[in-house]
Amino acid sequence: QQQVKQSPQSLIVQKGGISIINCAYENTAFDYFPWYQQFPGKGPALLIAIRPDVSEKKEGRFTISFNKSAKQFSLHIMDSQPGDSATYFCAAFSGNTPLVFGKGTRLSVIA
Amino acid sequence: KAGVTQTPRYLIKTRGQQVTLSCSPISGHRSVSWYQQTPGQGLQFLFEYFSETQRNKGNFPGRFSGRQFSNSRSEMNVSTLELGDSALYLCASSSNTGGNPPLHFGNGTRLTVT
Repeated sequence: QQQVKQSPQSLIVQKGGISIINCAYENTAFDYFPWYQQFPGKGPALLIAIRPDVSEKKEGRFTISFNKSAKQFSLHIMDSQPGDSATYFCAAFSGNTPLVFGKGTRLSVIA
Repeated sequence: KAGVTQTPRYLIKTRGQQVTLSCSPISGHRSVSWYQQTPGQGLQFLFEYFSETQRNKGNFPGRFSGRQFSNSRSEMNVSTLELGDSALYLCASSSNTGGNPPLHFGNGTRLTVT
């Protein structure tokens, strides 16, 4: 049973465009929602995270939008750059379960 | 501060063999979690150790085991290797109990079983 569903599996965006990756969850006990970025040959690195008491969090070009009632959250990458090309994972955590991950989105930003 | 270090980076083993992977967490971090990453399944939780005690375990067969030492370094062992065990094994450390985030990942050990 997949606890966090992520879409799309892959995404191609023009340089300067907006990349949007979506995730949905079922467990309402989740209270921490991070996004990880992974480059080839490297481990995932924390990009940005949000807790359900806020609907949006922005850090530079990266924004998380959170919809508690719909149990969905998304990552928006503004002004996408070729250097953003990587695999992105959403995840969810509650005090009773380890961090669970979506299956990842491979983002390619083309010039 | 040095990050999470995993050794070796690459391993090639034969079916039926066993393997031990090592992880040194960030200094001061007492929680170490292990994940298996494959293209089809993404990142799947194996187990988490805190202060030498296993606190959480994922849904993997008993062939997968781990331990943590008093200096917080951790090892995981896979016995009787199967072709399907080929994966990137990631270790992550945290300063919080129970594997609480944020998790800091190493660059993984790429295991290939032939």
